[in-house]
Order: sequence, then structure tokens, then C-alpha cells
Amino acid sequence: QLQLQESGSGLVKPSQTLSLTCAVSGGSIRSGSYSWSWIRQPPGKGLEWIGYIYDSGSTSYNPSLKSRVTISMDRSRNHFSLNLRSVTAADTAIYYCARDSSVVRYTFQHWGQGTLVTVSS
Amino acid sequence: DIQMTQSPSSLSASVGDRVTITCRASQTISSFLNWYQQKPGKAPDLLIYAASNLQSGVPSRFSGSGSGTAFTLTISSLQPEDFATYYCQQGYSKPFTFGGGTKLEIK
Repeated sequence: QLQLQESGSGLVKPSQTLSLTCAVSGGSIRSGSYSWSWIRQPPGKGLEWIGYIYDSGSTSYNPSLKSRVTISMDRSRNHFSLNLRSVTAADTAIYYCARDSSVVRYTFQHWGQGTLVTVSS
Repeated sequence: DIQMTQSPSSLSASVGDRVTITCRASQTISSFLNWYQQKPGKAPDLLIYAASNLQSGVPSRFSGSGSGTAFTLTISSLQPEDFATYYCQQGYSKPFTFGGGTKLEIK
């Protein structure tokens, strides 16, 4: 069964870079037909899609974050990563990684447990 | 961006009740509409995909309908484990967007 697990720094200072990794187990990240996404949720609020990456390296980002986001993939380690630059308190959130469904694209079927990132000095 | 609007934002109901949650898109999204359930401290779980298809393992008391811009999630007979927050999400065009959520509470 596919499992995703986020890891990274839980506390980031303002203006610095938030870096997270999503480790994939129970399946290969090298499947060209799936998109691998990052989604975030500020405490007590709703969900925001950040962006995705395909095995080909193709990426797409939410325009609201595009100037600060990079999503990359390490096929040898079976994981993908999120970098968010120049963070502010508004970037404090639970960050989830997710993979879409094999049936309908951009349906988030598999999720990591989430990791809380706090932006504070 | 396509705006997703859910109503109500919160709902109080009793075990055994039938409840309906509505989601409206700011433009047509065909049937590219998904529903998720989220419990406190957990990641969302996929309930319904493509507007009306029940995800494997999800109880049949959950159902979805709609197309275009108007969609509904119905729970036919509420069970204690159904009290949670529900989100709709459009997968029609990027950026993919979610509704604001409906918190279903015990009356």
C-alpha cells in the first residue's frame, strides 16, 4: 500500500526558506502517469494546493505562490521535495504531500500525515 | 482561479439524520469535483470522486451528485464517525481549489 511521509524543519525564521521532503514507500515515484503534489492548511483553516511534479520533471505551481516555490524530485531516493522561499507568518501551516488517483487526474487519493511548519523568529 | 463555495459552513445534526452539503463552482467544471472528509489532526480522506463515484471502502450512506457548477454531498443516515469537516475540490483546471469546508457537528 502506498504511503507518503513528510519530513523537514518544523520551525523556520521569517525571510528564510522552508524545505520539506515527502518520502514515498509501497510504490515507485517513477510512474509517469501520477502527479505528486504539495497542499497546505493553515491551522484551523482550509486547504490550498501549492503545486505538483511529474516523473518527467514537469511542474505546475499555484500562481499565488509561484514566485517563491520550487518542487523537485529525487528518483533514486523515491522522494520529492518542496522549497518555499522568503517565508512569512502567513506561511505557517500543516503541509501535506499527496498523490493523485489512478482513475481521475488531480483527485488526491493518497496523503501523507502532514507536518506543521511554524514561521517565527 | 475557480472559486469553490460550500454551504453551509457549519451544520449541527443528530445520529440518523440525512444531511446535504452544497458546493458551487464559479465556472463550469464538468464533473471534476471531489469530496473529502477530514477529522481533527488527520489528513483529508477521499470520499467521492468525479462528482458521484464512491471511493473504494467508503460506506454507501455517502453519495454525491451534480455537474457543471452545482454539486451536493449527501449522507443518508449520520453515524457517530461522520462528524468531521467536509471539503469539495475541483480538479478541472489549475490551480486546483478547495471549498472553505463544512464542519458537521453533533446536535
